[in-house]
Amino acid sequence: DAGVIQSPRHEVTEMGQEVTLRCKPISGHNSLFWYRQTMMRGLELLIYFNNNVPIDDSGMPEDRFSAKMPNASFSTLKIQPSEPRDSAVYFCASSLVGGMTYEQYFGPGTRLTVT
Amino acid sequence: DQQVKQNSPSLSVQEGRISILNCDYTNSMFDYFLWYKKYPAEGPTFLISISSIKDKNEDGRFTVFLNKSAKHLSLHIVPSQPGDSAVYFCAAREAGSYQLTFGKGTKLSVIP
Repeated sequence: DAGVIQSPRHEVTEMGQEVTLRCKPISGHNSLFWYRQTMMRGLELLIYFNNNVPIDDSGMPEDRFSAKMPNASFSTLKIQPSEPRDSAVYFCASSLVGGMTYEQYFGPGTRLTVT
Repeated sequence: DQQVKQNSPSLSVQEGRISILNCDYTNSMFDYFLWYKKYPAEGPTFLISISSIKDKNEDGRFTVFLNKSAKHLSLHIVPSQPGDSAVYFCAAREAGSYQLTFGKGTKLSVIP
């Protein structure tokens, strides 16, 4: 079984540019989560979707960040315009919500560097 | 305000000995707890979990203990192996929520 797939694995961009991160969740999972990992704040949840619907986006830092999930097999996280403080590793995770367990399965992450 | 705390940023253990990683939480609504392992340049990998109705869960070399009254859980690895060297994250789920709240991690180094 393929796990969660993220692309690109690395992204280097200049301040002010638009950045789009992509995620393909595990087939059959009904929830998708976007996280950001930094040294200062650790792993923080940005937004999560259930059945393609955004449920909680309170972790999105500002309006420059947006996320979409047009179908069950694809999601994007967009930053426009990007700033140096957005440099971090961004993880996507998916989960099958509704049973008695709550494990989330993570992708390999996208390391974003904004210069 | 950190609801899940891993107070030890790092831990070194000799191969073959026991590794004990600790985690404290403050939210009494947490009812499910998980441990994840993370290698460099990879995403976190689920390791083991425990429901609040239990106080112990075991899977091979890994055992998680939960002390609800102390709001404390621990992960025991016995015996420790060099391949266990990684960052370990504690996570918790609040009842009724799909979200997980993560600690900042403990870097375990197992010395051959």
